[in-house]
Amino acid sequence: TQTVSQSDAHVTVFEGDSVELRCNYSYGGSIYLSWYIQHHGRGLQFLLKYYSGNPVVQGVNGFKAEFSKSDSSFHLRKASVHWSDSAVYFCAVSAASSGSWQLIFGSGTQLTVMP
Amino acid sequence: EAAVTQSPRNKVAVTGGKVTLSCNQTNNHNNMYWYRQDTGHGLRLIHYSYGAGSTEKGDIPDGYKASRPSQENFSLILELATPSQTSVYFCASGDRAGSYEQYFGPGTRLTVL
Repeated sequence: TQTVSQSDAHVTVFEGDSVELRCNYSYGGSIYLSWYIQHHGRGLQFLLKYYSGNPVVQGVNGFKAEFSKSDSSFHLRKASVHWSDSAVYFCAVSAASSGSWQLIFGSGTQLTVMP
Repeated sequence: EAAVTQSPRNKVAVTGGKVTLSCNQTNNHNNMYWYRQDTGHGLRLIHYSYGAGSTEKGDIPDGYKASRPSQENFSLILELATPSQTSVYFCASGDRAGSYEQYFGPGTRLTVL
């Protein structure tokens, strides 16, 4: 059984700051890892994914994430945040062996960007 | 652009009543999913479907039924609604080959009194 843990329920930064949103997973086999963003009152939107190859993946709006097998992590980073980045961010894992490609979501991290 | 719509957007129901939540997608995706979102739990999978006529149980199917009459439509049915089913419900679609990337609808806020 795969699990996803997002240790920070809330992160608050100022506009222009860098930010790291943490995600750790537990699964031993081949997996897809992804990040989704949810603005207030909206559905989730796909941000980026990793399956293999370069462990650093680029997403939209300057977001990138780095996969680490040794740390079982897939942290999301942005060098300079904007107020419009305020949203809830969800990390998700999907296991190749599950057959159904179900997504298992973490509990989310609320990012608040102060002006 | 991918489009998933849900109706209604808001619903108030009474305990014991029947509730049907509808989802339509124009992505021509095979897979569709129903999730509920509650504070502290993230999104939890209720039912999903591989295509028209197919429904599968997710992680928390008790108290819910699903129906997939066509490629485009996927409904979630609460035959006897209870206050514990008060939540925000999201529908999503995904291509069979890469459904780690899912497209979500705007959500339905359901309140059961």
